Amino acid sequence: AQSVAQPEDQVNVAEGNPLTVKCTYSVSGNPYLFWYVQYPNRGLQFLLKYITGDNLVKGSYGFEAEFNKSQTSFHLKKPSALVSDSALYFCAVRDGVGSFQKLVFGTGTRLLVSP
Amino acid sequence: NAGVTQTPKFQVLKTGQSMTLQCAQDMNHNSMYWYRQDPGMGLRLIYYSASEGTTDKGEVPNGYNVSRLNKREFSLRLESAAPSQTSVYFCATEGRVNTEAFFGQGTRLTVV
Repeated sequence: AQSVAQPEDQVNVAEGNPLTVKCTYSVSGNPYLFWYVQYPNRGLQFLLKYITGDNLVKGSYGFEAEFNKSQTSFHLKKPSALVSDSALYFCAVRDGVGSFQKLVFGTGTRLLVSP
Repeated sequence: NAGVTQTPKFQVLKTGQSMTLQCAQDMNHNSMYWYRQDPGMGLRLIYYSASEGTTDKGEVPNGYNVSRLNKREFSLRLESAAPSQTSVYFCATEGRVNTEAFFGQGTRLTVV
């Protein structure tokens, strides 16, 4: 089964500094990887995905993620953090074949951006 | 366009009581999912439905049942609630494979 791991429970960064939220994956075959964000008392919102093509994927709110096959990683990045980026971030991977595919999520990383 | 609507938003149950969590989507998506979210555990898949008339177990199905009533609605039933089922429950839908999933705002369930 496919899986993802988020090694950090929490990431702290000062506003204006670059941020990285880490994700590693374990898949057989080609990985289909996603990042979602959850603001307090809300459902998850899609940020970006990697299916194929360029290793650097750009998404919503200025976020991007770099797919690294040799390191089996898909880290989320942003050049300059905002206080409003503070939220819970989930990495996810597609598991299954054909029509019976489902998203498998990591445990989440809380991002705290200080003013 | 409401997207994915979950009801209720909050619920407190006594151990042994039953209830059904409702999810409805107006996005004409085939796939629907039920997840639970617990601190430090991320989101864990309870059940999913790839299309109307089909359902499959996910990672943590014990103690739950589901019904895909039609393309729009996917309900989750707790027949005899237990404190271990205290959690936040999310319904999600997805259109074509490898497109983004859309989530409801969640149901916060407490079992006492």
